Amino acid sequence: GAVVSQHPSRVICKSGTSVKIECRSLDFQATTMFWYRQFPKQSLMLMATSNEGSKATYEQGVEKDKFLINHASLTLSTLTVTSAHPEDSSFYICSASWGAEAFFGQGTRLTVV
Amino acid sequence: KQEVTQIPAALSVPEGENLVLNCSFTDSAIYNLQWFRQDPGKGLTSLLLIQSSQREQTSGRLNASLDKSSGRSTLYIAASQPGDSATYLCAVSHNSNSGYALNFGKGTSLLVTP
Repeated sequence: GAVVSQHPSRVICKSGTSVKIECRSLDFQATTMFWYRQFPKQSLMLMATSNEGSKATYEQGVEKDKFLINHASLTLSTLTVTSAHPEDSSFYICSASWGAEAFFGQGTRLTVV
Repeated sequence: KQEVTQIPAALSVPEGENLVLNCSFTDSAIYNLQWFRQDPGKGLTSLLLIQSSQREQTSGRLNASLDKSSGRSTLYIAASQPGDSATYLCAVSHNSNSGYALNFGKGTSLLVTP
C-alpha cells in the first residue's frame, strides 16, 4: 500500500507558541490530504481538507486562523497550531487517499504545557 | 449527518477464539467502508476496504462484510492471537470530488489474552 509519513511523532510546547506538523505522501502524489484530531477515548474527527494549490476547507467549529494548513506541493501538507493552549493538546493525524483507500500517517501527540 | 457506531466498545477474549466486531452507520449512501487497526499512541493501519458495490473482503484471518442497505458491517477475526490486541476502527466515506474524508466510529478495544 501507499505510505504516508507524519513528523514529529511527539511534541511538547509551551502555551502561546506555535507548532508545525508535516504530512508527506512518500510514494504517490496527493492533491488532497485530510487532517484529523483524536481526543482520549474519542473517535477521530475530521478537522480540515487540505487542497494542493488552494485554500483548505475547514469543518464546522474548527478555527482556520488557529489551525493553519498549507499544501504547497503534491506530496506535502503542513498543519500549524498557532498560539497553542493546553486545550489543543491532542493526537493529530493526517491521511491521503490512493485510489479509494485512505492511508494514515503515524500521528502526532501534541502536549501544550 | 453520518453517525458511525461500533459495538462492543471493549472486548476481552482468550487466545484462539473467533470474534465479531460490529459497525453501523446511519446514512447508507456511502462510497466505501474501511476497517483500521490502531495500536496505543500510534497511527492507523488499514486492514480492509470494502467498496459500496461489494459485500465482503478477506485478508488472512480477517473477513469484513458490508450490508449497505441496512447500514451495517462486521469484522470477523478468526483464531485470535495476543498480537491482535488493539483498537479496531470502522470508517465510512462519501463520494467527493476532492477525495474521501472519513467518518469514524469510536472503535472497539480488543484484548486477546494468552
